[in-house]
Amino acid sequence: AQSVTQLGSHVSVSEGALVLLRCNYSSSVPPYLFWYVQYPNQGLQLLLKYTSAATLVKGINGFEAEFKKSETSFHLTKPSAHMSDAAEYFCAGLMNRDDKIIFGKGTRLHILP
Amino acid sequence: DTAVSQTPKYLVTQMGNDKSIKCEQNLGHDTMYWYKQDSKKFLKIMFSYNNKELIINETVPNRFSPKSPDKAHLNLHINSLELGDSAVYFCASSQRTGDYGYTFGSGTRLTVV
Repeated sequence: AQSVTQLGSHVSVSEGALVLLRCNYSSSVPPYLFWYVQYPNQGLQLLLKYTSAATLVKGINGFEAEFKKSETSFHLTKPSAHMSDAAEYFCAGLMNRDDKIIFGKGTRLHILP
Repeated sequence: DTAVSQTPKYLVTQMGNDKSIKCEQNLGHDTMYWYKQDSKKFLKIMFSYNNKELIINETVPNRFSPKSPDKAHLNLHINSLELGDSAVYFCASSQRTGDYGYTFGSGTRLTVV
């Protein structure tokens, strides 16, 4: 079955530390993968997307993600966390070009001062 | 200019009432979606329209009826509202060829009392 799994519903990092949010997918065809961020009481904003070009994708706000087919992963990273990064992050996948994007259950990122 | 706009932003209503949520996009996208986000932040697709044609209809009670008068608008009408319908409803749009990333509206928080 096609799915997107985010490991850890809550992640806490100190300001200035590395951010790593984990995402794994299950798909029978090469997927398109996305990371979205949701700030409180707001809609979802696209951070970055992988659409079968470069496996290392750079997004907005200093985030990047690497598509690893062998690990079926698409983890999101940022070298140095900022207080403004505190939000809910969603990994999502489009497993079939004619189908819908499937979302993971989200990871709440907390930034510790 | 807001790319995907939803109205109203908040909606409080009594059980049994009928209500509508409107969505408009000015991006020229050909596909629009309704997603429901529950209290645990889980996002689940409800409907998708491509150029006014219904293409995705998930397992949603038939009290929910989408209507797309043109490809820039996708409204959601809900009959006989129930307590379990309380959630945040997001409208989104995308271009199904080439881009695939969704652009989300800011959401409508529906509270049924």
